[in-house]
Amino acid sequence: SAVISQKPSRDICQRGTSLTIQCQVDSQVTMMFWYRQQPGQSLTLIATANQGSEATYESGFVIDKFPISRPNLTFSTLTVSNMSPEDSSIYLCSVPGTGNTEAFFGQGTRLTVV
Amino acid sequence: SQKIEQNSEALNIQEGKTATLTCNYTNYSPAYLQWYRQDPGRGPVFLLLIRENEKEKRKERLKVTFDTTLKQSLFHITASQPADSATYLCALPSSGSARQLTFGSGTQLTVLP
Repeated sequence: SAVISQKPSRDICQRGTSLTIQCQVDSQVTMMFWYRQQPGQSLTLIATANQGSEATYESGFVIDKFPISRPNLTFSTLTVSNMSPEDSSIYLCSVPGTGNTEAFFGQGTRLTVV
Repeated sequence: SQKIEQNSEALNIQEGKTATLTCNYTNYSPAYLQWYRQDPGRGPVFLLLIRENEKEKRKERLKVTFDTTLKQSLFHITASQPADSATYLCALPSSGSARQLTFGSGTQLTVLP
């Protein structure tokens, strides 16, 4: 299993500002995933963060709004830029298990934009 | 893309009874299906994986079935306890990558004492 530390755990931000969320894994992993979970909804994949290359974004998500860094195999950041109330969500980072099937998640970042 | 439907947003059952949650999917048949538990304010926690060639999988009080003909998985919690109260999500590998997962919307289970 992997232990994932994600911070901040929650934040309240003013609209128009940006927030960077950090995700630290206790082992080296090739892929890291960033998800969004809007209130009462399931998880939606934002992007896949690959070390040494650009992140791969899912339909509906763009790099200008959600820039991602992946400087090494144990760390990644997701920035939510120019925030609006619609960005209020839980953001989660995830890594695949050693079997490349099950997923392990950080505890999430609960973002409220006012 | 895969579409996943989980039965009812909320399920209330009495302590000691068996809870049964349903996950239906459309489109292609996945190589495996997973179930996760999510508590409020926490990330999902992996519970069980069942492969397409397995009819049933058990882990302690949990049992999962997988019917590729019906495109359905059932998730059972026997002898349910109030501590089992949580949201349960099913997940399938995304068509584009086996490491990416598509999640259902979840079923919120409440076990009443």
